[in-house]
Amino acid sequence: GAVVSQHPSWVICKSGTSVKIECRSLDFQATTMFWYRQFPKQSLMLMATSNEGSKATYEQGVEKDKFLINHASLTLSTLTVTSAHPEDSSFYICSAKQGFVVPGELFFGEGSRLTVL
Amino acid sequence: GESVGLHLPTLSVQEGDNSIINCAYSNSASDYFIWYKQESGKGPQFIIDIRSNMDKRQGQRVTVLLNKTVKHLSLQIAATQPGDSAVYFCAENRKAAGNKLTFGGGTRVLVKP
Repeated sequence: GAVVSQHPSWVICKSGTSVKIECRSLDFQATTMFWYRQFPKQSLMLMATSNEGSKATYEQGVEKDKFLINHASLTLSTLTVTSAHPEDSSFYICSAKQGFVVPGELFFGEGSRLTVL
Repeated sequence: GESVGLHLPTLSVQEGDNSIINCAYSNSASDYFIWYKQESGKGPQFIIDIRSNMDKRQGQRVTVLLNKTVKHLSLQIAATQPGDSAVYFCAENRKAAGNKLTFGGGTRVLVKP
């Protein structure tokens, strides 16, 4: 099946710094990518929907100035956590959708674990 | 608010037995449901899906049942194996909501040897 790769798989940073997480579709063009956040022992919560070449659509309660999303190409979306704080520590997961088939098939990345000290 | 939720947070099952994981959803407009398996430290893995115009779908060792009358979804795993130990999530899709998936709370399945 299609492969979605995330990098880094884990990252530790100091409070106040910014961290960038990449999500790449390796063998297909992803028209839409989604970013999720998952706290320990909890479910995935959708943060934002990213469409190539346009601004991301954020879910209610997600600060767009804190979680910057860029989807500059059909194979790459990035999530930047700006001025990270310990409460931002979480597992961030992306998924990618190929084409406009509704509902389409979603392919998930392996996740990126962020720890903010 | 609208949500997809699960009845049992943890399910212990003997190896070889069948597992049943349940999920309740509240939005009757949901048109597509998916079950995912998530192993520790990894992203969700697609297991099986079902559209709202169906009530049953079978895959390899897995069966999904959909009861729209009571808004209930279940995943049955036949002959559960140690490799089935993971957290299982149901997710709903609503076309009217932009085809965004809403995940349920998850059930941890522990397979005992």
